[in-house]
Amino acid sequence: GDSVTQMEGPVTLSEEAFLTINCTYTATGYPSLFWYVQYPGEGLQLLLKATKADDKGSNKGFEATYRKETTSFHLEKGSVQVSDSAVYFCAPAPAYSGAGSYQLTFGKGTKLSVIP
Amino acid sequence: DGGITQSPKYLFRKEGQNVTLSCEQNLNHDAMYWYRQDPGQGLRLIYYSQIVNDFQKGDIAEGYSVSREKKESFPLTVTSAQKNPTAFYLCACSIGGLAGGENTGELFFGEGSRLTVL
Repeated sequence: GDSVTQMEGPVTLSEEAFLTINCTYTATGYPSLFWYVQYPGEGLQLLLKATKADDKGSNKGFEATYRKETTSFHLEKGSVQVSDSAVYFCAPAPAYSGAGSYQLTFGKGTKLSVIP
Repeated sequence: DGGITQSPKYLFRKEGQNVTLSCEQNLNHDAMYWYRQDPGQGLRLIYYSQIVNDFQKGDIAEGYSVSREKKESFPLTVTSAQKNPTAFYLCACSIGGLAGGENTGELFFGEGSRLTVL
């Protein structure tokens, strides 16, 4: 079935540092890919997405490119802020797993702490 | 504004008691989901429903039950059979059923409910 491998955290960076959080996936076909962000004590919210190979998703200074050849969707930001401190999750779109069932997979999440 | 609402935000339960977590959405989305989040384990799927009066088990359904009597509501009951119920519970929804052309794969999440068993 589909699976996601996400860089383990926690990651601690100084303000204005460059951020990369790695995400690779194993899937049948090329599903849409998503990055979600979870701020402390809250639910998840969509950060960005890409629906096909070579698509680049971007939002709030974050970017991720859907790379079919490396099956990757790494999250990057050129200059992080304290307000970016959160947990980041990588996820593919739901995949049919047979017998009327679907697989809904999330990466384990990467906790980012940005210090002033 | 449309959205998805979970209640209560915090809940305490004694061992042996059942408890029901509420999830309501006014986005007119067909599919709804329940996830459990534990530190260091990411999100694990408990149950999901693609349509009213239908739901399917996820990866960790044992000790939980759900119902989907209305499109906008998908309550989760944590029963006394759940051995380790203390966790953060997240409800989500998505446009269209999972097999439908409308479904983009994007999930919309509630703010979560934190359950603590005393």
